[in-house]
Amino acid sequence: QSVLTQPPSVSAAPGQKVTISCSGSSSNIGNNYVSWYQHLPGTAPKLLIYDSNKRPSGIPDRFSGSKSGTSATLGITGLQTGDEADYYCGTWDSSLSAGFWVFGGGTKLTVL
Amino acid sequence: EVQLVESGGGLVQPGGSLRLSCSASGFTFSSYAMHWVRQAPGKGLEYVSAITSNGGSTYYADSVKGRFTISRDNSKNTLYLQMSSLRAEDTAVYYCVKRFFEGSGWFPPALWGQGTLVTVSS
Repeated sequence: QSVLTQPPSVSAAPGQKVTISCSGSSSNIGNNYVSWYQHLPGTAPKLLIYDSNKRPSGIPDRFSGSKSGTSATLGITGLQTGDEADYYCGTWDSSLSAGFWVFGGGTKLTVL
Repeated sequence: EVQLVESGGGLVQPGGSLRLSCSASGFTFSSYAMHWVRQAPGKGLEYVSAITSNGGSTYYADSVKGRFTISRDNSKNTLYLQMSSLRAEDTAVYYCVKRFFEGSGWFPPALWGQGTLVTVSS
């Protein structure tokens, strides 16, 4: 059971927009920055968003991040078939029970 | 080009040991905290361990504490994960990950290697 809760799957048509949620608590998302990762099978995961809403260089502006309270959201516009992947949120958790850095359970994006 | 290349994975019996290595290039290795993250077959990402840029501080997930040891050799640009008392549930692809920011601090994990598969089975 992950400390951060993500929907197991989302889907949308090519060209459409999709959002992926990540729900946590005050010990993690509520007081820390959130990162988002894209993981295509057989490849290295890629950082898409850091500090909740910033994109590393080379990440297209189709990808966006936001945070409100104890939840964060990844948005992807202009969906492409190449966006089909697993997406994970991650953040630091300051509670002793959860540990250090925690990931969400992951969301599988299907581009129909 | 920034690159991380893991090695050392393989098949090991329960109770056995294995040492993973991560060779870094394309950046000043000694300036970045480093992480190990794993993914068991069909499962999500699990954070395993971390070490500061100078090796002075380390962190372990409860699931590996007392069995795994993270270390680094900044003169060789290499990160290590010594794994002992391995269990079936340690079976996973292990990724070496570089911190996004240079300098002091731990997070966030940013640049990932391709991973190395560790299989614990008799």
